[in-house]
Amino acid sequence: GDSVTQMEGPVTLSEEAFLTINCTYTATGYPSLFWYVQYPGEGLQLLLKATKADDKGSNKGFEATYRKETTSFHLEKGSVQVSDSAVYFCALESNTGKLIFGQGTTLQVKP
Amino acid sequence: GAGVSQSPSNKVTEKGKDVELRCDPISGHTALYWYRQSLGQGLEFLIYFQGNSAPDKSGLPSDRFSAERTGGSVSTLTIQRTQQEDSAVYLCASSPSTGSNYGYTFGSGTRLTVV
Repeated sequence: GDSVTQMEGPVTLSEEAFLTINCTYTATGYPSLFWYVQYPGEGLQLLLKATKADDKGSNKGFEATYRKETTSFHLEKGSVQVSDSAVYFCALESNTGKLIFGQGTTLQVKP
Repeated sequence: GAGVSQSPSNKVTEKGKDVELRCDPISGHTALYWYRQSLGQGLEFLIYFQGNSAPDKSGLPSDRFSAERTGGSVSTLTIQRTQQEDSAVYLCASSPSTGSNYGYTFGSGTRLTVV
């Protein structure tokens, strides 16, 4: 069945460091791909999405490119801030319409 | 409403009791989803509704779990004879429809603790 695999956390970075959180997927066809973020004490929020191969989703300085060849959708940010500390979830939309999430990766950014 | 509303926000219950969790989606959203987030785990899909029907119930972990949606709006997730392993945050999300053009909007969740 469809699945999403993320790198395990926690990921601990200093402010202004470069961030990569790896995400790979297994799915039938070419699903839409998403990154969601959960800030401490808050609900899940959509961060960015890409609906077809080679699309790049971007928001708040974060980017992810839909790579069909490597079935990946890695999240990147050039310079992280303390306020980016959160749990990040990669997800795909299955052909039945539901979102399938990865395990989540906790990011801790230290000043 | 402006967002997805879930109630209660916290629930502590004794093992063996039944609980009902409520989700009030964004007005007009036809798709409604239930997920479970356990400590240290990802988000586990439970069930989704399109209108009042549930095309996919595949995630319900046992027959102690059931959900309904009436009037294409509010949904209730019921857990009978709760067990300690049911302790988790139960998240509800809604969407204007299924399909990748629409994002999910999540509620803040109900934290269920079974003691």
